[in-house]
Amino acid sequence: DAGVIQSPRHEVTEMGQEVTLRCKPISGHNSLFWYRQTMMRGLELLIYFNNNVPIDDSGMPEDRFSAKMPNASFSTLKIQPSEPRDSAVYFCASSLFGGFEEAPIGYTFGSGTRLTVV
Amino acid sequence: AQKVTQAQTEISVVEKEDVTLDCVYETRDTTYYLFWYKQPPSGELVFLIRRNSFDEQNEISGRYSWNFQKSTSSFNFTITASQVVDSAVYFCALSEAADTDKLIFGTGTRLQVFP
Repeated sequence: DAGVIQSPRHEVTEMGQEVTLRCKPISGHNSLFWYRQTMMRGLELLIYFNNNVPIDDSGMPEDRFSAKMPNASFSTLKIQPSEPRDSAVYFCASSLFGGFEEAPIGYTFGSGTRLTVV
Repeated sequence: AQKVTQAQTEISVVEKEDVTLDCVYETRDTTYYLFWYKQPPSGELVFLIRRNSFDEQNEISGRYSWNFQKSTSSFNFTITASQVVDSAVYFCALSEAADTDKLIFGTGTRLQVFP
């Protein structure tokens, strides 16, 4: 299994530009998560999907952030317009969620995208 | 609300020493799941263990062991005979049965093992 695949690994962009981060979850996993990691705030859950449907986006910092999951094998996180404070490592993770009160099989993380906004 | 506290920001040890990383959690749910992840310098997050709230048996995997105590809401992680390759940031995390997909992380403990 190739694991969770994120692209790009590194992204440097100028303030005001649109940034799109991509994620391919593990085949067969039905939940997908976007996390952001910064020194100040640690690992924050931004949004997660179950069966391609957004379940909780309360962690999305503001309207500049949006996420989509058009099918079971692909998700995007978009920042428009980007700002220097968005600089962070963005992780995508997937899991197999068996249902209410069933333990998730385990969350597998991608290698992350290091975003730098200058 | 769920919360995970890792009070130790950074720990330094010399190779072959034993080291324990502390994790204290808060939850109102009676069914929940606890995790440990390792983040080596390369940056990826590596799953180490998952434990559910009904299983208080301690677990050992090679040099790694975990001590789960519901009475003190703790899920501590011990590395025996530490090695330089154990140097990493270790995260404890919690998800509640009522919101199983929401994995909340502690702030992490940076472990440095010196030769």
